[in-house]
Amino acid sequence: EAQVTQNPRYLITVTGKKLTVTCSQNMNHEYMSWYRQDPGLGLRQIYYSMNVEVTDKGDVPEGYKVSRKEKRNFPLILESPSPNQTSLYFCASSLLDRGTGELFFGEGSRLTVL
Amino acid sequence: AQKITQTQPGMFVQEKEAVTLDCTYDTSDQSYGLFWYKQPSSGEMIFLIYQGSYDEQNATEGRYSLNFQKARKSANLVISASQLGDSAMYFCAMREGGWTGNQFYFGTGTSLTVIP
Repeated sequence: EAQVTQNPRYLITVTGKKLTVTCSQNMNHEYMSWYRQDPGLGLRQIYYSMNVEVTDKGDVPEGYKVSRKEKRNFPLILESPSPNQTSLYFCASSLLDRGTGELFFGEGSRLTVL
Repeated sequence: AQKITQTQPGMFVQEKEAVTLDCTYDTSDQSYGLFWYKQPSSGEMIFLIYQGSYDEQNATEGRYSLNFQKARKSANLVISASQLGDSAMYFCAMREGGWTGNQFYFGTGTSLTVIP
């Protein structure tokens, strides 16, 4: 089954404790990206990657890091989480070379930083 | 300036009636893509429909159609014959640079409630 898998789905952590949210897709998509969803703000792009070793900032990259060492994986790293990073996070992937280029989303990861 | 504007935070529609969810966008690109996603209360994001900037016909997918007015920069979603399962949050999104573009922009969403 074609899918984007995120882990963990739910996480409660404390300020300053480094964490990683993993994202993996099995569709051989070149493009992967991370979003955060906050009430009243919709989804905002954090980082994106056009291919392996190619990453760039989205609209709200502060406090986040990413890496793309393999095509299928695109982890989101919070080096020192703060309460304002409490949010619902989505990973998504897309095929670049044909089709509509729509995003395929993971199920979301709800993060609470105390 | 907002790239995507959804001015209706909440909408109600009677079951079996049609409803239009508004979306306007802002871009100077000639090539771009417009999308609508549905987010039910369970939280997942479901792709509904796509309209390319060069597409001359309005996109349709089953009960969903996209009313694309390029000169007005609007891309409204029309849901015909509403069903209770249509109750959800709906997001309009744009990808600049067509399907090879790298930035996606989302609106703030419209919460649709279908009344029996």
